[in-house]
Amino acid sequence: EPEVTQTPSHQVTQMGQEVILRCVPISNHLYFYWYRQILGQKVEFLVSFYNNEISEKSEIFDDQFSVERPDGSNFTLKIRSTKLEDSAMYFCASSEMLGGAGTQYFGPGTRLLVL
Amino acid sequence: GENVEQHPSTLSVQEGDSAVIKCTYSDSASNYFPWYKQELGKRPQLIIDIRSNVGEKKDQRIAVTLNKTAKHFSLHITETQPEDSAVYFCAASKSSASKIIFGSGTRLSIRP
Repeated sequence: EPEVTQTPSHQVTQMGQEVILRCVPISNHLYFYWYRQILGQKVEFLVSFYNNEISEKSEIFDDQFSVERPDGSNFTLKIRSTKLEDSAMYFCASSEMLGGAGTQYFGPGTRLLVL
Repeated sequence: GENVEQHPSTLSVQEGDSAVIKCTYSDSASNYFPWYKQELGKRPQLIIDIRSNVGEKKDQRIAVTLNKTAKHFSLHITETQPEDSAVYFCAASKSSASKIIFGSGTRLSIRP
């Protein structure tokens, strides 16, 4: 069964550094998402992406964040200047829609630790 | 704003008994309600979902009910087994391709 994949699984960075989290959505999916989960808390929506542009973003997704689909398979989340409070698990998700059920399938996550 | 409330935050049941988790949502435009199971350090896994044109849905030991008027929905797990131990999240969305708003989670423990 196809799955969303994410790399790296863990990332440790210094405050102020830039990080890029990578995702490969399921191949025939059209909608892409990033969520984050601070340890012990609920999953929070960051941004959705469709047809090469942002569809929706949350208050968390400020100017320090950006997303990109650089090619036909990858979907990336960039944090320009990381803060301590960016430490969290970041999940990518994708959904098919357009005739499909539209269920969102989550990747395994990238655990980001900002020191 | 959009919000999903979930209760209880922790739930411990005897193996073989039933578990019920309840959620309420605030946005009346919500029409898609997935439930995710998350094991420690793993991704949220969809276990069942329900859409607003349906009041109840069942899949083996798992059932969900939806009361759109009251903006309530619930997850029922019958004949619980040790492998049901996990954190369960309810969620709501305006469509299955829109952002998902998650509840705060219920840590379910099954006592042997």
